[in-house]
Amino acid sequence: AQSVTQLDSHVSVSEGTPVLLRCNYSSSYSPSLFWYVQHPNKGLQLLLKYTSAATLVKGINGFEAEFKKSETSFHLTKPSAHMSDAAEYFCVVSDLSNTDKLIFGTGTRLQVFP
Amino acid sequence: DGGITQSPKYLFRKEGQNVTLSCEQNLNHDAMYWYRQDPGQGLRLIYYSQIVNDFQKGDIAEGYSVSREKKESFPLTVTSAQKNPTAFYLCASSIGVDTQYFGPGTRLTVL
Repeated sequence: AQSVTQLDSHVSVSEGTPVLLRCNYSSSYSPSLFWYVQHPNKGLQLLLKYTSAATLVKGINGFEAEFKKSETSFHLTKPSAHMSDAAEYFCVVSDLSNTDKLIFGTGTRLQVFP
Repeated sequence: DGGITQSPKYLFRKEGQNVTLSCEQNLNHDAMYWYRQDPGQGLRLIYYSQIVNDFQKGDIAEGYSVSREKKESFPLTVTSAQKNPTAFYLCASSIGVDTQYFGPGTRLTVL
């Protein structure tokens, strides 16, 4: 069965410094992987998705993620944090036993300090 | 302007009452979903529908009911049988497999 683990529940960075949000997945096959962002009391917005076309995936707002099969990881990065990046981030994997279903991580809350 | 709308944004319910949350989409998506979100947890799937007049239980369907009479609409009823209904409820839709698009959410509070 597929699963996804977000290794940090909270991450704090200073504005202008790099962001790293870590995600490991468990899957017998090459899954589809996603990162979503949620601002307070809002719905989720898709940042990027991996579907086996390229291991380095570029998303919106300067975020990118690299699929590493050998490490079963899909970490999210950004070179320089902005105050507006403060939000909750979810790593998500598609459920290969039922491709209409997604499996969500528990989320990482990113704080950005001035 | 295409998207998913949920109403109301905030909803208060007395214990023992049923309440219905609205979800509408004009994206022409076949599949729609309802999730529940609690603090510090990821999203948990309540119900989903792949096509009109058909829906399946998700991981936490007890105490909830849905209908899918129209492609654009997927209302969720939180019944009095739901033991702990206070949560943030998110509706989503997709055109098939993979990417789901989310509405803004409804925060339900039981008084």
